[in-house]
Amino acid sequence: SAVISQKPSRDICQRGTSLTIQCQVDSQVTMMFWYRQQPGQSLTLIATANQGSEATYESGFVIDKFPISRPNLTFSTLTVSNMSPEDSSIYLCSVQEQGSNYGYTFGSGTRLTVV
Amino acid sequence: SQQGEEDPQALSIQEGENATMNCSYKTSINNLQWYRQNSGRGLVHLILIRSNEREKHSGRLRVTLDTSKKSSSLLITASRAADTASYFCATPTGYAGNMLTFGGGTRLMVKP
Repeated sequence: SAVISQKPSRDICQRGTSLTIQCQVDSQVTMMFWYRQQPGQSLTLIATANQGSEATYESGFVIDKFPISRPNLTFSTLTVSNMSPEDSSIYLCSVQEQGSNYGYTFGSGTRLTVV
Repeated sequence: SQQGEEDPQALSIQEGENATMNCSYKTSINNLQWYRQNSGRGLVHLILIRSNEREKHSGRLRVTLDTSKKSSSLLITASRAADTASYFCATPTGYAGNMLTFGGGTRLMVKP
């Protein structure tokens, strides 16, 4: 199965600043997914990133706040912009490798604390 | 919105006991997946059960699926302290069925 390298693993940031999270996959994948996990909660999909096109955002998430890049089939970044304490969460990237009847692989997550 | 609801939200058992977690979902599915998350880190895929399957085993894991009741259960037998984690069910949703919607999760603690 694919291996995802996600970084940073954690960061503490000042409010009003931005943080870019990177995910590198060791194989080419069509879609990459970005999730947010607020403290003590389950995962919520932020957006789906396809190479060569703009990311598709879920309800409640906008590009200005969470811009995403997908320059090639193995790499993606998520930026959390103009951060506030409410953005403190774990952010995870994920890929699906072989079609809809296989599981997904997740990065190790980025634990973000905004102070 | 979350597709699934899980119960219990938290479960504490002794090592060697069995742990059962339940998941309910709302819409028709092609498959249902279970994931484990250790200490707020990345998720690890445990098992996938297809909609035409009723039961599946993987090591100490047993998953059942009842599509008529839109529910699934995950059983961990002979639990170990290392099984302490959060467990989530997830179902593919979206127009192409390629995004996951997660249940609320069950926090399992296995006491040595």
